[in-house]
Amino acid sequence: GQNIDQPTEMTATEGAIVQINCTYQTSGFNGLFWYQQHAGEAPTFLSYNVLDGLEEKGRFSSFLSRSKGYSYLLLKELQMKDSASYLCAVLDSNYQLIWGAGTKLIIKP
Amino acid sequence: GAVVSQHPSRVICKSGTSVKIECRSLDFQATTMFWYRQFPKQSLMLMATSNEGSKATYEQGVEKDKFLINHASLTLSTLTVTSAHPEDSSFYICSARDSGNSYNEQFFGPGTRLTVL
Repeated sequence: GQNIDQPTEMTATEGAIVQINCTYQTSGFNGLFWYQQHAGEAPTFLSYNVLDGLEEKGRFSSFLSRSKGYSYLLLKELQMKDSASYLCAVLDSNYQLIWGAGTKLIIKP
Repeated sequence: GAVVSQHPSRVICKSGTSVKIECRSLDFQATTMFWYRQFPKQSLMLMATSNEGSKATYEQGVEKDKFLINHASLTLSTLTVTSAHPEDSSFYICSARDSGNSYNEQFFGPGTRLTVL
């Protein structure tokens, strides 16, 4: 079956760095997305990786290793507004998004 | 970026009534739209994939006669929750795939919070 694993919850300190990991096993691979979702709101797009390596976008970076079925989202200079759930999603061979359960990130002052 | 609107944003209805939710892609064409449901503190659950001009594809366990989907144009899909019951209370989110976007990215609407009394 198809499976995406990410930690349920993480806690970090304002100003610090946090890495959220995601491992996947899917039927085919056409890219991996990271979305941010604040409570009560719809997800918003953060990043897309389809080739191995690191994609940097401001304070957020996303890494992909297709051979390992592994990705991480790196958040630097954490701010209180970064408190949210972070969803990892893989586009499978049918171009259907397979969603992880999300990682709730709690930022403490 | 591409914008998807959803209407209404919030609806409260009595048990047994039907509720229609609209999802529109405002500045792009979407041959494919997706309907998700999210219960509190849970991840998104795909309910169905809506394809313009054809029948929707429902996920296992989702009743197609209860959740009617119509995707009559390249910019509009509707979800009708028929004979709603309290257990249907949830956050319903649509997303649309930009037909001209090589990323295959899905753009999400702001969601509709349905409360069935």
